[in-house]
Amino acid sequence: DQQVKQNSPSLSVQEGRISILNCDYTNSMFDYFLWYKKYPAEGPTFLISISSIKDKNEDGRFTVFLNKSAKHLSLHIVPSQPGDSAVYFCAASFGTSYGKLTFGQGTILTVHP
Amino acid sequence: DAEITQSPRHKITETGRQVTLACHQTWNHNNMFWYRQDLGHGLRLIHYSYGVQDTNKGEVSDGYSVSRSNTEDLPLTLESAASSQTSVYFCASSSSGTGPEKLFFGSGTQLSVL
Repeated sequence: DQQVKQNSPSLSVQEGRISILNCDYTNSMFDYFLWYKKYPAEGPTFLISISSIKDKNEDGRFTVFLNKSAKHLSLHIVPSQPGDSAVYFCAASFGTSYGKLTFGQGTILTVHP
Repeated sequence: DAEITQSPRHKITETGRQVTLACHQTWNHNNMFWYRQDLGHGLRLIHYSYGVQDTNKGEVSDGYSVSRSNTEDLPLTLESAASSQTSVYFCASSSSGTGPEKLFFGSGTQLSVL
């Protein structure tokens, strides 16, 4: 049973436009959400996170939105750059899980020059 | 700089052989994790450890074991490799704390079981 789902396997956008990556979850116990970025032949690297007490968190070009009632979060990248081309994983945890993350399947983002 | 390293980067083995993947971190983190990445499944947790002599099973632990004899290392052993264990394996670590934590990942080991 996939508790964290990224239903779009891939996304293609033009440089300078907005990229929106989506993630849905089913476990209402999750209270902390993260996005990781992964380049080929490298490990995932942390990008941005959000606690369930917030509905938005911003860090430069990256913004994560959380809609708890819909159990949905999204990552917005504005403006998109070719260097953002990577696989993006959504992940979730809950308070007592001490670093144990549940990941989505990933979305391949391609930003065209 | 502190880091987390995995070895080997690539490994080819035969069905039935025992294989050990190494993971070493220099952050002095108490928490260490092993994940596998497969197409369509994302990353799934195999085993994890919250400190020396502590090990716990994750979501997909069958056929795998770990041991934690010091803070820096968490080797992953496949007791009798199967073709279904062909995957990319990632080790990760995080510090202990009372709040949410983010994981730091190694570069991965590509394992092929023929």
